[in-house]
Order: sequence, then C-alpha cells, then structure tokens
Amino acid sequence: AQSVAQPEDQVNVAEGNPLTVKCTYSVSGNPYLFWYVQYPNRGLQFLLKYITGDNLVKGSYGFEAEFNKSQTSFHLKKPSALVSDSALYFCAVSRPRQADKLIFGTGTRLQVFP
Amino acid sequence: SQTIHQWPATLVQPVGSPLSLECTVEGTSNPNLYWYRQAAGRGLQLLFYSVGIGQISSEVPQNLSASRPQDRQFILSSKKLLLSDSGFYLCAWIPSQGAGANVLTFGAGSRLTVL
Repeated sequence: AQSVAQPEDQVNVAEGNPLTVKCTYSVSGNPYLFWYVQYPNRGLQFLLKYITGDNLVKGSYGFEAEFNKSQTSFHLKKPSALVSDSALYFCAVSRPRQADKLIFGTGTRLQVFP
Repeated sequence: SQTIHQWPATLVQPVGSPLSLECTVEGTSNPNLYWYRQAAGRGLQLLFYSVGIGQISSEVPQNLSASRPQDRQFILSSKKLLLSDSGFYLCAWIPSQGAGANVLTFGAGSRLTVL
C-alpha cells in the first residue's frame, strides 16, 4: 500500500534562513510526488510535482524539492524563507499514472519568524 | 481557463439538520471530482470521488452522501448532521484524460460547524 509521512508537525525558521520540510513515501514502482500549500481557511494550492526526469524540481514562490529514490524522500526546500511562507504544507504521493488517486501526508506547519 | 467553485464558504448548522454543499467546475468536460474533509486543520480524508455523472465511489462509511447530477457539479449531502461532521470540506477536480501527469486542483473550501 502506498503511504506518505511528514515526520514534523511544525517547522520554525527565521526569515532569511533556508527552510526544509521533510517528506518520505512508500509506493511500488516509480512514484508521482506533489507538494501543496494551504493558507488559513483556504483550499490547497499546488506548489510543485515530480513525475520523471531531473531529481530537483522547481515550483512556485521559489520553492524546490529533491526526489531521492534511495532514501524514498521528497523534501521541500527554499533558500531564503519569508514570513509570508508561513502556512500548512502537504506532501502527496500516487502510483505512476494515477495522479487522481493521491495519498496525502498529515501536513507540516511552517512558521517563519521575522 | 478552468475554475472550481464551492459554496457556501461557511455554514453553521444544528445537529440533526440536513446539509448540502455544492461544487462546480468550469472550463473542462468530464472531470474526475472529489470531496475531501479536513478535520482539526490538518490531515485530509478522501470522502467521495466521481468519474462521471451518477457515478459515486465512497471511501469511508459515514453520515454523508454525494451526488453528481451534472457533468461538472458535485454535491455533498447529509440528511441529519452529527457533531462529528464538523470540519473543512474541500472539493477538487482533475482531468479524466491523461490524469497521470495532471494536478489535483482544489476549491476554496466550505467550513461546516455543527452545534
């Protein structure tokens, strides 16, 4: 069965510092991997996805994520955090060609302090 | 361009009352449609999905039901609400064609409080 884990409930980082939000997955075959962001009382917004190709994926708002097959990880990163990045971040995984059957992690709350 | 609408945005209902949340998608045909619930501001639980008119799959047994009376309309209902039905309900869609590389797109959500 496929699953995704976000081991940190909350990540705190100072503005201007790099940030990392961790995600590990379990899925048979080559996974499709996604990151979404949710601001308070809003729907989820797509940030980036990995389907195939370059392991480093760049997305919206300066975020990027690195697919690491040996570690089954897909950590979200940003070189310099902004206070406005404070939100809830969800990692999601699906089997190949089944992006309509996403499994979501439990979410990580990112708090960026000025 | 494609857009997704959900309404109402917020709803406060007494226990035992009925519920109807609506979701419509514009600018696409025959989308796959989904209802998720987010409890306590965290994890997402898939409630229902639909691949076509009148075709509903339920992921978890519960007090809710879903219907798809039109191609781009998805409705979440209950005959009698429970306190445990409170939460943030999210509708989402993805194109049915070539879903492998496409992205699930969410509506803005409907916050339901059952008192």
